[in-house]
Amino acid sequence: DVKVTQSSRYLVKRTGEKVFLECVQDMDHENMFWYRQDPGLGLRLIYFSYDVKMKEKGDIPEGYSVSREKKERFSLILESASTNQTSMYLCASTPPEGRRNQPQHFGDGTRLSIL
Amino acid sequence: AQSVTQLGSHVSVSEGALVLLRCNYSSSVPPYLFWYVQYPNQGLQLLLKYTSAATLVKGINGFEAEFKKSETSFHLTKPSAHMSDAAEYFCAVRTPASGSARQLTFGSGTQLTVLP
Repeated sequence: DVKVTQSSRYLVKRTGEKVFLECVQDMDHENMFWYRQDPGLGLRLIYFSYDVKMKEKGDIPEGYSVSREKKERFSLILESASTNQTSMYLCASTPPEGRRNQPQHFGDGTRLSIL
Repeated sequence: AQSVTQLGSHVSVSEGALVLLRCNYSSSVPPYLFWYVQYPNQGLQLLLKYTSAATLVKGINGFEAEFKKSETSFHLTKPSAHMSDAAEYFCAVRTPASGSARQLTFGSGTQLTVLP
């Protein structure tokens, strides 16, 4: 069974801090994704990565960056945290692009509060 | 571009009643469609998926959904609601288009409440 693990379930940080959210998957998936989830807005894609050191912007990349140094790990970075980045962050992964009907597997989420 | 509309951000049903959660999509090509469920303080779990095989798709926990191309819909149903079905449900679409091929587009979600 696919396991997507996010390093923290709850995180509290201060405005201006640099924040790292970590995600690890154990199924050798090529594609990994970071979403934020806000009430009434559903899930919005921040960044995704389809290979090591490769990344593409999603719908709302402003204020975020990502890092994929190893296939199993995809990190989301808030360069200078702001209160409007308080949200639930979800990581997901999928197998190679040739299997496009494969669903995304999600972690349990990190609830981030910026004070 | 693809998009998903979930009608009704909140739906309440009585235990034992029919569950119907609505999803309409827009896509210029035949899409792949998914329903996910999210229980409190958890990530998303796949309920079922449509991938151009049978139009009636059966998923986990007694849920099913029917793909209707003429209506561009993929509504989720369950004949008899159970208290444990209370959760938030997301419809998602993915089209085999270049550039966005790896992306899912999610609806805004429907919170299902089951009344005793």
